[in-house]
Amino acid sequence: DQQVKQNSPSLSVQEGRISILNCDYTNSMFDYFLWYKKYPAEGPTFLISISSIKDKNEDGRFTVFLNKSAKHLSLHIVPSQPGDSAVYFCAASGAIAGKSTFGDGTTLTVKP
Amino acid sequence: DGGITQSPKYLFRKEGQNVTLSCEQNLNHDAMYWYRQDPGQGLRLIYYSQIVNDFQKGDIAEGYSVSREKKESFPLTVTSAQKNPTAFYLCASSIRVGSDEQFFGPGTRLTVL
Repeated sequence: DQQVKQNSPSLSVQEGRISILNCDYTNSMFDYFLWYKKYPAEGPTFLISISSIKDKNEDGRFTVFLNKSAKHLSLHIVPSQPGDSAVYFCAASGAIAGKSTFGDGTTLTVKP
Repeated sequence: DGGITQSPKYLFRKEGQNVTLSCEQNLNHDAMYWYRQDPGQGLRLIYYSQIVNDFQKGDIAEGYSVSREKKESFPLTVTSAQKNPTAFYLCASSIRVGSDEQFFGPGTRLTVL
């Protein structure tokens, strides 16, 4: 049973528009959520995180929203740039849940 | 210049041979991890270690072994028992297991001939 799901394998947006990447989780013991960005043949790099005590965290063009009741989080990228084209992984962990569990990723393509 | 190094970048192995992938970190992190990524799929956890001389099986540990004799090093051995070893292998570390971001190495692509 997959505890962290990214239901959209791919997303294509126009440069300058908003990109919204979604993630759902099932384990209520998760209390820390992270987004990573990955280019082909490279390791993922940390992008932004959010603790379960918050419902929003913002860092420049990137904002993560957390809806605990729906067990849903989303990453908003505004404005989207061609350099944002990559695979984005959602991950969940916690003091009790322990190690991070990753979703399968969403491939974002930003068209010039 | 702190970070995680993995070597080699590309590795070829004949069927039936064991092979060891190297992972070193100089971030002074307690926790280290090994993941496997197959084309079009996410990261699947093979093994992780919370502290020296301790490690735990992840979701797909069969056919793999690890050791954690030093804080900086967490080598992964892909044994001949692993049925489909061809994949991209990623090593990562974090301050501790749980609520911390993980820092990833550049990965090793293993191909079994």
